[in-house]
Amino acid sequence: DGGITQSPKYLFRKEGQNVTLSCEQNLNHDAMYWYRQDPGQGLRLIYYSQIVNDFQKGDIAEGYSVSREKKESFPLTVTSAQKNPTAFYLCASSAGFGGNTIYFGEGSWLTVV
Amino acid sequence: AQSVTQLDSQVPVFEEAPVELRCNYSSSVSVYLFWYVQYPNQGLQLLLKYLSGSTLVESINGFEAEFNKSQTSFHLRKPSVHISDTAEYFCAVSPQTGANNLFFGTGTRLTVIP
Repeated sequence: DGGITQSPKYLFRKEGQNVTLSCEQNLNHDAMYWYRQDPGQGLRLIYYSQIVNDFQKGDIAEGYSVSREKKESFPLTVTSAQKNPTAFYLCASSAGFGGNTIYFGEGSWLTVV
Repeated sequence: AQSVTQLDSQVPVFEEAPVELRCNYSSSVSVYLFWYVQYPNQGLQLLLKYLSGSTLVESINGFEAEFNKSQTSFHLRKPSVHISDTAEYFCAVSPQTGANNLFFGTGTRLTVIP
């Protein structure tokens, strides 16, 4: 089946550690996104990539990093510089511009312990 | 810049009653409009979207939304809700030019009461 796969579903991190969230899509989409969801705040854009080997900062990029070496993969690293990383992280993709639907993965829960 | 306001954070409604979830937006450019639904611990699913043409758009499960340009609104309605409609609903906009990014409202939690 076509779709977006995020892993792991649940992740615990100790303070001071970096963690990487995986996102893979087999929809042949050019664009990929990472959003962060906190209760009562909706979704906020962390990073997006419109094409391989290129990505742009979103509204809350500080403390995060990404790479886009392959069309189907867009991993997100939550670094120790992120002050409040506990959240639900959603990866998404779309075919491109012009109102194309953005499809979401099932999300990853990150908890700092 | 774009912003989306969902005026109600929580909406309780009895089963088979009608419901309206309100959404207003602000943007310096023309936008496309979307409603997404999120069930607990899951990702978001597209419910419906407005790109152009008829201002009334419908989903396959009975929801509809009407784009009102003068009031910059895109309210979501359903004439008769079911228990299975209990979920979080997000309104979002995307600029018609430039990157295909979504700007979300803070969501409305719809709870259908038996």
